[in-house]
Amino acid sequence: DVKVTQSSRYLVKRTGEKVFLECVQDMDHENMFWYRQDPGLGLRLIYFSYDVKMKEKGDIPEGYSVSREKKERFSLILESASTNQTSMYLCASSRGSVSGNTIYFGEGSWLTVV
Amino acid sequence: AQKVTQAQTEISVVEKEDVTLDCVYETRDTTYYLFWYKQPPSGELVFLIRRNSFDEQNEISGRYSWNFQKSTSSFNFTITASQVVDSAVYFCALSEAGGGATNKLIFGTGTLLAVQP
Repeated sequence: DVKVTQSSRYLVKRTGEKVFLECVQDMDHENMFWYRQDPGLGLRLIYFSYDVKMKEKGDIPEGYSVSREKKERFSLILESASTNQTSMYLCASSRGSVSGNTIYFGEGSWLTVV
Repeated sequence: AQKVTQAQTEISVVEKEDVTLDCVYETRDTTYYLFWYKQPPSGELVFLIRRNSFDEQNEISGRYSWNFQKSTSSFNFTITASQVVDSAVYFCALSEAGGGATNKLIFGTGTLLAVQP
């Protein structure tokens, strides 16, 4: 069974705090993704990584950074959390050898910034 | 530009009714992939189906069926004899081959399906 695990399901952070969201996949996938989900907007891509130490901006990278030091782990970092970053964050992974591979998602992390 | 439209924001049906969720997509690529995901209240997106642009055969999996029509750029999803456990948000998504091996997905805004007992 494919497994994408997000370390925290629910977090409450204060404005200005540095926030780390961790994600681990056990499928040896090359690609990993961070999406943000908001009502009425669907899922929007923040960042993705196609290899260790490689990253590319998605559609809404502002206010976020990422880290991929190991193939199985992809971290999303909010350098200085703001209330407009209150959202559901979804990590995902896929094989990278060809296009169109299925992307598998974790359970999501609900972040509230107060 | 690529886009996925799910015009139905919410649908409410009574158990055992059939229901169709609409998905319309836009892309300039000739090779692309379409997906449906289910998101139950727990939050995880569950993969349901993947279709490539060269395969227009309809697919049936138990109570689920999918109708892919390139002529109308649609990839609709039908649940037959709906059950309460089908209650979830359903997302349609598009991945373009031109996006390379990174497989970025473009999502629609989702349809919330509520199945009443």
